[in-house]
Parts: sequence; structure tokens; C-alpha cells
Amino acid sequence: SQTIHQWPATLVQPVGSPLSLECTVEGTSNPNLYWYRQAAGRGLQLLFYSVGIGQISSEVPQNLSASRPQDRQFILSSKKLLLSDSGFYLCAWKSSGRGGELFFGEGSRLTVL
Amino acid sequence: AQRVTQPEKLLSVFKGAPVELKCNYSYSGSPELFWYVQYSRQRLQLLLRHISRESIKGFTADLNKGETSFHLKKPFAQEEDSAMYYCALTSGTYKYIFGTGTRLKVLA
Repeated sequence: SQTIHQWPATLVQPVGSPLSLECTVEGTSNPNLYWYRQAAGRGLQLLFYSVGIGQISSEVPQNLSASRPQDRQFILSSKKLLLSDSGFYLCAWKSSGRGGELFFGEGSRLTVL
Repeated sequence: AQRVTQPEKLLSVFKGAPVELKCNYSYSGSPELFWYVQYSRQRLQLLLRHISRESIKGFTADLNKGETSFHLKKPFAQEEDSAMYYCALTSGTYKYIFGTGTRLKVLA
């Protein structure tokens, strides 16, 4: 069966420090991968999605970037964190192609101090 | 642009009362609509999708293209229905757009 893992689950970082959140999927190949930020009152904001290795679509210009170095690995990064980057980040996957169900990871809570 | 609107941030109902969580969308084509639910300390998960036309945990949702709505309904709320509910849309692209969510509280 397919599974999705995110880590770390919780992260506290100082302003200006770098960030790396990792997401991996098991049990499937060539998935579509997504990064969302979940904030109270603002719902789920789509940050990035990827339909293949090295293919990244950015939805919101900001202090973050994403990479997909392997088929089932999706990384969210920042070179210098801002206070406004604090939040709950969710990774999701779905089978390749259009439409269908998204499967979410457990999320990563980032606090920038 | 695609947009999903959930007008209620919080909806409180008594156990046994009917529930309706509202969702309106803007998209000129033929979207695929979903309801996702997040129970306390659990992952966000799919509740139902319009193309399945099925009832899950007593919930139903009908796509009304004329009113561009996809409201979630249940005739008799239960305490275990208390959760955060998100309406979502995808169109002919790979993007999935979510609403701001509605927190449902079912009171005993």
C-alpha cells in the first residue's frame, strides 16, 4: 500500500536560518506531489506542485522553494526564514494524471522565532 | 481564476440536528469537487467527491452547476462529526484549490 512521510514533525528555527522539510512517498511511482501551508482562517494555501522529477510549479511567490530530486521525494526549502514563514506545512500526493484523490501527510509544524 | 469559498468559519449544531456546510466555487469549466475532513489529531482525508455520488458517514453533497455550489449535508449530526471540513476543487490542470475551511462543532 502507499504511504507518505513528512519530517521533521516539529521544527523551531531562528529568523534568517535555512529550512529543509522533506516528504517521501512509498508504494507508488511517478506521483503528483504537492506542498500546502495550513493556517487558521486562511485554509490550505497551495505553495508548489510537481508532476515529475525536476518539474516544479510555484503558486505563491515567497521566501520558499521546492525541489524534486527523486521520483518520490519532495523537499521544501528556504535560504533565510522569515517570521511569516511560521505555519503548518502539509505534503500530499496523488496518482499521475488529472483528477482523483489527494493523500496527505501528517504535516510539519514550523515556528520561526 | 479558480476560487473556493466557504463562508462559515465555525458552525455549531446540536446532536441530532441537520447540518449544512456551504461551499461555492468559481470556475467556468467542469470542475471536480471534493470535501476533505480533518478530525482532531488526524490527517486531512477525503470525505467524498462529487463524481462518486455516494453517501459517506451519512454525508452527501450535490454539485449544483447553476449555483456553482457543492454544499455538504447530513440530516442528523453526531458528536463524532465534529471536525474541520474543507471544500476543494480541481479543474483541467493539476492544481487543487481549497477553501478556508469550516469548523463543525456538534454539541451534546
